[in-house]
Parts: sequence; C-alpha cells; structure tokens
Amino acid sequence: RKEVEQDPGPFNVPEGATVAFNCTYSNSASQSFFWYRQDCRKEPKLLMSVYSSGNEDGRFTAQLNRASQYISLLIRDSKLSDSATYLCVVRSRNNNAGNMLTFGGGTRLMVKP
Amino acid sequence: NAGVTQTPKFQVLKTGQSMTLQCAQDMNHEYMSWYRQDPGMGLRLIHYSVGAGITDQGEVPNGYNVSRSTTEDFPLRLLSAAPSQTSVYFCASSAAGNTEAFFGQGTRLTVV
Repeated sequence: RKEVEQDPGPFNVPEGATVAFNCTYSNSASQSFFWYRQDCRKEPKLLMSVYSSGNEDGRFTAQLNRASQYISLLIRDSKLSDSATYLCVVRSRNNNAGNMLTFGGGTRLMVKP
Repeated sequence: NAGVTQTPKFQVLKTGQSMTLQCAQDMNHEYMSWYRQDPGMGLRLIHYSVGAGITDQGEVPNGYNVSRSTTEDFPLRLLSAAPSQTSVYFCASSAAGNTEAFFGQGTRLTVV
C-alpha cells in the first residue's frame, strides 16, 4: 500500500463547478499536511497547508481528519486556470531526527469552458 | 530572491556516462532533498540532507550519490547513467519544522 494515496483522475469539470479531491495516508505519526499544485512540465508549488481545524483560502477549502487519516481539497467555482495536477503531501518524522515529505501520485483536474 | 536553482534544465546522456545535477538555495534552509518524477509514479525521494555534512537515503537511492558540504549546495551525482534513470529530477529545500518545501524548476534527463 502506498503511504499517500490519491485518485489520479482526470477530473473533467465545467467552469463554475465545485470539485473535491481526497487523499489518504498510512502513517499515523504524520505531522503536517499540504496540498501542492503542479502545472504541466513545471515544479510543484504550495497551494495550501492543511490544519486540523480545516482552513479556507478563497475558493479553496482543505480539511484534515486525523482519525480516518484522510485529507480533502474542495475547489468552488472552478476556473480554467485551476487546470493542473494537485498533489497531496504529508510530512513525517524520520529516524535521522529530521522530517520527510511523502507525495501522493497526484490528481489531475481539467476545467473545460 | 532566487530561491532554489537547479542546473541544467535539460540533459541527454549516453548509457554509462556520469554527471552531476546542481542544486543551490539562498534561503538558509537546513533541509534539502532530491526527487525524481516519472509518469504514474509521483515524486519519489532519492536522497535528502538535514544539514551540512549529513545525508541519508530516500526511497530510490541506487545509482545516485549526494554530498552536502555547505548549507547552500546539494549536488546529485549519477555514477553510471542507465536508461532507467530517464526522468525529471527536482531539488527541494525547506526550513526545519513543519514548513513548506520550495522546489527548483527541474532537470529533464534522458539517458540513451
């Protein structure tokens, strides 16, 4: 089983639609959680951190359920510019007293006119 | 503010050649790491470093070496390139603690 799992999609939605992505993680000791966005042939960039209380940034809402080891991202009023791959990322402590990021495989979103 | 700088952006190697991918960051971050990204596989960790002089293996370290002689630089060396190492390579850095990682623009490597 992968440490961080996502539905690869693609999710094809019309402009203005609401779309939700889910992610599950297997390491119960994971410490922090993020959603990154990656455009085609570009580097990943942070979209938002995910807090236990849930957080919202404009049209984007992220939720964390530690009991179920589940993270979600909701995008409201989808724009053409939201078309990208969304990566679920988990940070966990490792044996070297540091911490490591583990990436899900990404969910591809395509917003159509 | 340059952030994370990777060079080269593109590279073609012949099987058996060696080369070094360069990565530098100007944010005084403790943590640096190298990932490779392949279709359908997501980003996989190759090697990482939690500070100057400290490196460790990630998920897919075979065929790669790293060193961290300074805080700023974290080069990745391919010892003897193989076609299986054709991939897109990303370097990332982050501060200690639960903070975001910043990525370089990537190196597209093809081994023929």
